[in-house]
Amino acid sequence: ELKVEQNPLFLSMQEEKNYTIYCNYSTTSDRLYWYRQDPGKSLESLFVLLSNGAVKQEGRLMASLDTKARLSTLHITAAVHDLSATYFCAVAVIQGAQKLVFGQGTRLTINP
Amino acid sequence: NAGVTQTPKFRILKIGQSMTLQCTQDMNHNYMYWYRQDPGMGLKLIYYSVGAGITDKGEVPNGYNVSRSTTEDFPLRLELAAPSQTSVYFCASSYSGTGEQYFGPGTRLTVT
Repeated sequence: ELKVEQNPLFLSMQEEKNYTIYCNYSTTSDRLYWYRQDPGKSLESLFVLLSNGAVKQEGRLMASLDTKARLSTLHITAAVHDLSATYFCAVAVIQGAQKLVFGQGTRLTINP
Repeated sequence: NAGVTQTPKFRILKIGQSMTLQCTQDMNHNYMYWYRQDPGMGLKLIYYSVGAGITDKGEVPNGYNVSRSTTEDFPLRLELAAPSQTSVYFCASSYSGTGEQYFGPGTRLTVT
């Protein structure tokens, strides 16, 4: 059974600081997603990582995937308050359809 | 395109009542999914469908039923509501079995 673990689960940081969220998973997969969720809202897709070594960047967020280590990271550079949200990684299991197994989420709070 | 729409947005049920959560997509996607999100947790797959007339169980199917009579609609049925089914329910769709999933706005269900 695939397990996906994120850490930290809670992160409070100051603006302009850098930090990294980690996503570890237990079985082989070469497809991983990062989502953002604001309180009471649906999920917003941030990144799709499709192969080992994939790196994607959008603004102050950068995601990477190491399939050999079964690890993905979401790096935040020079955080701003607008990035406060909960971030989820989801690992894809392709069995007839693409079933996503989600991590617990990282609640990120960025303080002015 | 409206994308993925869900109704109702909120619902309170008494124990033992039944209801149907509606999900409709207008993107002509073959694949559709139902997830639940418990407080402070990631999403878990309940059921999915690879096309009209074809459905299969996900990780947490007990207490739920689905049907898929058209490409556009994928309703989720709760027959005998229990407090453990208090959750936020998200419907998603994708064009292909390996394609990115697009999420609806969610239905917040409370069973008391």
